[in-house]
Amino acid sequence: AQSVAQPEDQVNVAEGNPLTVKCTYSVSGNPYLFWYVQYPNRGLQFLLKYITGDNLVKGSYGFEAEFNKSQTSFHLKKPSALVSDSALYFCAVRDEDNFNKFYFGSGTKLNVKP
Amino acid sequence: GAGVSQSPSNKVTEKGKDVELRCDPISGHTALYWYRQSLGQGLEFLIYFQGNSAPDKSGLPSDRFSAERTGGSVSTLTIQRTQQEDSAVYLCASSLVPGTSYEQYFGPGTRLTVT
Repeated sequence: AQSVAQPEDQVNVAEGNPLTVKCTYSVSGNPYLFWYVQYPNRGLQFLLKYITGDNLVKGSYGFEAEFNKSQTSFHLKKPSALVSDSALYFCAVRDEDNFNKFYFGSGTKLNVKP
Repeated sequence: GAGVSQSPSNKVTEKGKDVELRCDPISGHTALYWYRQSLGQGLEFLIYFQGNSAPDKSGLPSDRFSAERTGGSVSTLTIQRTQQEDSAVYLCASSLVPGTSYEQYFGPGTRLTVT
């Protein structure tokens, strides 16, 4: 069965430092992977996706993610964190058999401190 | 333009009562999803609508849950005989192109509390 895992409930980073939010996936074929961000009291917003092509995917707000097939990972990264990046981040993968379904991770809370 | 809207934003109900949650997708989006977000959990897929096709109900947790989508636009999620474990944030999302590679646009959610 397909799934994603976000091993960290919370990530703390100082403003200006690089950040990484981890995600690993489990699919038997080629994955369709997504990152979403949820700001307080707001709906989830799409950040970026990996379908095929370059392993480094660039998205909104300066975020990028690296697809690593050998490690089955899709970590979200940003070179220099902002306090405004503090939010809940979700990784997701599309179901291989039922294209209508997406499996989301449990979320990682990112705290960026001034 | 207008995003996905949901109403009510908060709903408190007594155990055993029925509730209806509403979702207005982005105009022109043919795909609509309902998810449930419980505290400390990821999003749980509930149901998917695409155009006039039969909905994908494979994620509904019990027969107390149902949803409909009228005229290919507004959707209502109904929970009958609510239980305390139904307490969660219910999220609706719409997508321009169905399924696969296209991102979903989420509403702000309805926080349901069953007392």
